[in-house]
Amino acid sequence: AQSVAQPEDQVNVAEGNPLTVKCTYSVSGNPYLFWYVQYPNRGLQFLLKYITGDNLVKGSYGFEAEFNKSQTSFHLKKPSALVSDSALYFCAVREGNTGTASKLTFGTGTRLQVTL
Amino acid sequence: NAGVMQNPRHLVRRRGQEARLRCSPMKGHSHVYWYRQLPEEGLKFMVYLQKENIIDESGMPKERFSAEFPKEGPSILRIQQVVRGDSAAYFCASSPQGGGNQPQHFGDGTRLSIL
Repeated sequence: AQSVAQPEDQVNVAEGNPLTVKCTYSVSGNPYLFWYVQYPNRGLQFLLKYITGDNLVKGSYGFEAEFNKSQTSFHLKKPSALVSDSALYFCAVREGNTGTASKLTFGTGTRLQVTL
Repeated sequence: NAGVMQNPRHLVRRRGQEARLRCSPMKGHSHVYWYRQLPEEGLKFMVYLQKENIIDESGMPKERFSAEFPKEGPSILRIQQVVRGDSAAYFCASSPQGGGNQPQHFGDGTRLSIL
């Protein structure tokens, strides 16, 4: 069974400061990892993914994430936060190499609050 | 709009009625997924379909819920005899054929309220 943990319900950061949103995962085989962002009353928007290759992946809106296999983590980062980054962030995992697309397992979400 | 389209955006039903939620995937996508989100919670997988086939329904409740993705037309998530506990946001996502490493693209959801 696959699972995702987002240990922080909320992260508060001042605009201009770096931000980190934490995610750890558990999966049987190779992980495919994703970060999504959700704004109020909207669906999830894809930010970035890790499939294979470089451990540091870059995504939309200046976000990046670092895959750490030994710590089974995939933390989301941004060097300089914006007020407009305030939203709900979800980490998700699926098992890779299964041959066909399949379900994602999501964490419970972390609310990011960026203040002036 | 080339994105995943869901309708209606909001649906109100009384207990015992039926709810039908529709999802049109992105152009060129033949894999559809349905997820349910309860307030302040993450998304829970319900069912994964390809055209005319249910691939994985491990997240679907055993009773009252059904899903289809016909050869023509949108995917439908059907909830019969709705109860208060069915109140949630239901999201549809789609991905390209054979896209195991492709991200799923989500619609804006249908918010179902049961009176």
